[in-house]
Amino acid sequence: GESVGLHLPTLSVQEGDNSIINCAYSNSASDYFIWYKQESGKGPQFIIDIRSNMDKRQGQRVTVLLNKTVKHLSLQIAATQPGDSAVYFCAENMLGNTPLVFGKGTRLSVIA
Amino acid sequence: DTGVSQDPRHKITKRGQNVTFRCDPISEHNRLYWYRQTLGQGPEFLTYFQNEAQLEKSRLLSDRFSAERPKGSFSTLEIQRTEQGDSAMYLCASSLGGQAEKLFFGSGTQLSVL
Repeated sequence: GESVGLHLPTLSVQEGDNSIINCAYSNSASDYFIWYKQESGKGPQFIIDIRSNMDKRQGQRVTVLLNKTVKHLSLQIAATQPGDSAVYFCAENMLGNTPLVFGKGTRLSVIA
Repeated sequence: DTGVSQDPRHKITKRGQNVTFRCDPISEHNRLYWYRQTLGQGPEFLTYFQNEAQLEKSRLLSDRFSAERPKGSFSTLEIQRTEQGDSAMYLCASSLGGQAEKLFFGSGTQLSVL
């Protein structure tokens, strides 16, 4: 069936470097995407979202890029900090019509 | 803290017992969701409510699972005759609904079935 997935299960980066976490989605009808961060023992925390009518959106130290042609989503974290260590999930749905579908997640480890 | 509260945080039970979890959403949110998450996986949708109406249930939600939101505020999720395969983190989320719907998650209830 349709699914959201991630290219890399783990990512290790040096503190201060930029991180890029990738996500592939297969439901071409999806038009809304969210990145969540989940720390150990906690629920997923909203980071940033993007609608399909955009290809880039920036937040504080984070940028989400959407490439609808190849159905690819990425999360860029600038100047990665130890507090960014967590599992990151992308999620998708069709605006307001379906529950969010989550991918399997990428674990980001920041090396001090 | 997102404002979504779940109770208990942890539950250990024996196979065959019934368990009930509670979720208190953000007060002005009219949608409430239940998800299940196993180790190393993303959350999987179980069911959701718009106010007190249960609008959608996943195929994952067997007849041993029942959820209620009687007054459109807090919700309960009950699992009857628990099985070892029910062991997971049960997450509750709430939202304002509408388009571009952001879900705010609680910290979850970790269920272990022995």
